[in-house]
Amino acid sequence: SQELEQSPQSLIVQEGKNLTINCTSSKTLYGLYWYKQKYGEGLIFLMMLQKGGEEKSHEKITAKLDEKKQQSSLHITASQPSHAGIYLCGAAGGQGRDDKIIFGKGTRLHILP
Amino acid sequence: DAGVIQSPRHEVTEMGQEVTLRCKPISGHNSLFWYRQTMMRGLELLIYFNNNVPIDDSGMPEDRFSAKMPNASFSTLKIQPSEPRDSAVYFCASSPSWGARGYTFGSGTRLTVV
Repeated sequence: SQELEQSPQSLIVQEGKNLTINCTSSKTLYGLYWYKQKYGEGLIFLMMLQKGGEEKSHEKITAKLDEKKQQSSLHITASQPSHAGIYLCGAAGGQGRDDKIIFGKGTRLHILP
Repeated sequence: DAGVIQSPRHEVTEMGQEVTLRCKPISGHNSLFWYRQTMMRGLELLIYFNNNVPIDDSGMPEDRFSAKMPNASFSTLKIQPSEPRDSAVYFCASSPSWGARGYTFGSGTRLTVV
């Protein structure tokens, strides 16, 4: 079965600094999702990547899927307190035949004022 | 659109009691998913339905767990009997179609079994 490894597990950064979160898959990724979860709340969809080399941005958050489609990175520029939360990457089943998304354990991001 | 609605938001129950969690998906969404989140194991997929039919329940931890979707607008996750290790946040999510891009999650039910 596919497994997703996220790093780091937790991250504390000063407000205004840039940061990167990584997600590595044990198998080829046919769809890679990034979600954000505020503490004590549900998950909010950020973006989805499908093609090798694809890059998408949402406000100050940029995510990229590498050419081999086994790793994705999420980069936040000039972090703000509103960016604090848990970031989870999720992988769709293979070749569009399986609708379920399996998630990594998440990266807890704290922003220091 | 009200989004995915879960109830209750919080549930505290004694070990051995039956617990029922409820979910109302977004109208028109054909797929529904139940997840469980803990610090140790992260977000685990328990079961999912497509057009009210259970497709994959391999994530259901034990026979004490059961899920139903009697119609397109309602699903339940039942634990009987509950145990302290079932304490977690349970999320319901829905998506518009098979292979859709991204789910919409509910706010979750925080279950504490004492």
